[in-house]
Amino acid sequence: ETGVTQTPRHLVMGMTNKKSLKCEQHLGHNAMYWYKQSAKKPLELMFVYNFKEQTENNSVPSRFSPECPNSSHLFLHLHTLQPEDSALYLCASSQEPTTSSYEQYFGPGTRLTVT
Amino acid sequence: SQQGEEDPQALSIQEGENATMNCSYKTSINNLQWYRQNSGRGLVHLILIRSNEREKHSGRLRVTLDTSKKSSSLLITASRAADTASYFCATASNFNKFYFGSGTKLNVKP
Repeated sequence: ETGVTQTPRHLVMGMTNKKSLKCEQHLGHNAMYWYKQSAKKPLELMFVYNFKEQTENNSVPSRFSPECPNSSHLFLHLHTLQPEDSALYLCASSQEPTTSSYEQYFGPGTRLTVT
Repeated sequence: SQQGEEDPQALSIQEGENATMNCSYKTSINNLQWYRQNSGRGLVHLILIRSNEREKHSGRLRVTLDTSKKSSSLLITASRAADTASYFCATASNFNKFYFGSGTKLNVKP
C-alpha cells in the first residue's frame, strides 16, 4: 500500500455516460496528479494540483474535468468520452514540489474501458 | 520532447543475473527518478538521483547519471523472479512536471 487509494478500480462506460474517478491520499502531501497510461505509450501527465490549485493542464480535452476540493482528495469527472480514452488512469501525490527532491506516490489506478 | 526513453524495451534474464536498463532524455533536468510498475498496477518509486550526483545505490539497485550524455542507467544485481515488472525513468526539469518514458519490461525467469 502506498497511501494513495483510487476508486473504482475498474470502470466500463458508454460514450454518453458521465462518471467520476476518485483519488485519496493519506500521506499529508500537498500536490496531486492525474496521469493517463495507454498501452505502449509513455505515461501522460494530465493535471497537477498544488494546495488545491490547478497548476498544470497538459492540453487535456474538456471531456476530462478535474476537481480538487482539498489537499487529500482529487476527482476526475468524465463525460462523453471516446473509445481512445480507454486506459489506466493513475493518481499520484507528492510533497509540495518547490524543491528538486521529491518523489511521487501512485495509487493502483482505475482501468477505464469506453464502449 | 523531454520524455525519457528507456532501452531496451524488453529484457529477459535468468534469476541471479544482473539486469541493466538505460534511459536517455533531451533537456536539462533537476533530477531523474526510476519507478517500477507491476502489471496493471500503480508505479512505485525506486530511487532518485539529483543532477549533481553521478551514482547512487539502494540495496540491489545502482543508478548512474551522466548529464553530459543526458543518460542514466539502472542496474539490478542478483535479480529475482519478484523483480519481474516494467521499469520507468522520469525526468523533472521544473517543479510539478515529470516526464516518463515507455518503460523497459523486465522478465526474470526462475
